[in-house]
Amino acid sequence: AQTVTQSQPEMSVQEAETVTLSCTYDTSESDYYLFWYKQPPSRQMILVIRQEAYKQQNATENRFSVNFQKAAKSFSLKISDSQLGDAAMYFCAYRSFGGATNKLIFGTGTLLAVQP
Amino acid sequence: DVKVTQSSRYLVKRTGEKVFLECVQDMDHENMFWYRQDPGLGLRLIYFSYDVKMKEKGDIPEGYSVSREKKERFSLILESASTNQTSMYLCASRDRRVWFGYTFGSGTRLTVV
Repeated sequence: AQTVTQSQPEMSVQEAETVTLSCTYDTSESDYYLFWYKQPPSRQMILVIRQEAYKQQNATENRFSVNFQKAAKSFSLKISDSQLGDAAMYFCAYRSFGGATNKLIFGTGTLLAVQP
Repeated sequence: DVKVTQSSRYLVKRTGEKVFLECVQDMDHENMFWYRQDPGLGLRLIYFSYDVKMKEKGDIPEGYSVSREKKERFSLILESASTNQTSMYLCASRDRRVWFGYTFGSGTRLTVV
């Protein structure tokens, strides 16, 4: 079975600085998808960034980028120029490739605080 | 925009009550999911459904059941609520045409007293 581990329960960053959230996963599959979700106090889960495992190039979405290291099974999220609105719980998630159901497997989350 | 609507934002129920948590999506998605969110444990899958009347157990189905009589509605049922089922419950649906197309509801915070 696949597992996702987030080893940092809480992180803090100064506004305008850069922060990296860690995520590791365990799988025997060669094809899969990885996600970072943001959950603000409103509770609405928002997709931040996504990565297909067969793509070597790291995904980037504006101030958000990932460092995907397939051999190490690591998928960290870098937030540049942090803003107050980035304060939220961040979840790393894994999904198998193919199949009809495609459930997401989540990590335990990292609570990010942004200091003004 | 796709919407996933959970009928209650907050719910307080008594031990032993039968509890229904409702989730409705408006975009004809085949896949629907129920997750439970607890501090330090993340989101854990309770049940999912890949079509009407089709369901499968997730990782923590004990004490729960589900119903999907119509494509747009996926209900989570606590047959006899217990205090250890106090939690945040999140519903999600997925567009099978889009591999990253998951949409989540805003959650129901259930307290069992």
